[in-house]
Amino acid sequence: EDQVTQSPEALRLQEGESSSLNCSYTVSGLRGLFWYRQDPGKGPEFLFTLYSAGEEKEKERLKATLTKKESFLHITAPKPEDSATYLCAVQPLTSGGYNKLIFGAGTRLAVHP
Amino acid sequence: GAGVSQSPSNKVTEKGKDVELRCDPISGHTALYWYRQSLGQGLEFLIYFQGNSAPDKSGLPSDRFSAERTGGSVSTLTIQRTQQEDSAVYLCASSLGREGYTFGSGTRLTVV
Repeated sequence: EDQVTQSPEALRLQEGESSSLNCSYTVSGLRGLFWYRQDPGKGPEFLFTLYSAGEEKEKERLKATLTKKESFLHITAPKPEDSATYLCAVQPLTSGGYNKLIFGAGTRLAVHP
Repeated sequence: GAGVSQSPSNKVTEKGKDVELRCDPISGHTALYWYRQSLGQGLEFLIYFQGNSAPDKSGLPSDRFSAERTGGSVSTLTIQRTQQEDSAVYLCASSLGREGYTFGSGTRLTVV
C-alpha cells in the first residue's frame, strides 16, 4: 500500500535556528514527490516537485532533497513568517498518468522571534 | 479566474440534510480534484475529473457522496444525508498536466 509518513508532527524553532523536516514514503514506483505549504484556513500552496533521487530544489530559505526512500525539506535561518504546516505528497507510477497525489499528515512548524 | 474559488467557505448543516459544495477551477485547467482534510489527518483523495468525466472516483467514501463537472469548468460535490463523520474541510484543486496542483481555500463543513 502506498504510504507517506512525515516527521516530526510538530516543530518549534527559534528565529534563525535551521532544521529539517522528513518525509518517508513507500510507493510502488515514484512518478514525483511534492511539497506544499499550508497556512491556517487556507488551501495548500505548491512549493516543489522532485522527480528522481539526488534531485534538489531551492526557494528562498527552503531546500528540498530526494532519495529513494525519503525527502527532506531543509529550512535555513527560518523567520516567523515561515510558520505553517508543510505537507509532503507522492504521485505513484500507478496513478494512471494523471496527477493523483497521496499526502502525509504534515509537519506543523512554529518559528518564534 | 486567477485562482481556484470554492463556496461556501463555511457550512454548518444538520445531520441528515443534503449539502452542495462548489468549485470553480482556474480557467483552462482540464484536471480537477476533490480532497477531504480531517483534523490531524492528511488530505484524502475523493475524485478526479478530466474534462467532464470522472475516470477515478475511488476515494468517494460512500454512495452518499457524488460529484459532477459541467462545461469542463465548475464542479459540485454533493453529500446526501450528512453524518457527523462527514465534518471536514473539503478542498478542490485544479491542474494542467502533471505540474503541482493549485488548491482553493476549501469549504469547512460542520455537521451538527
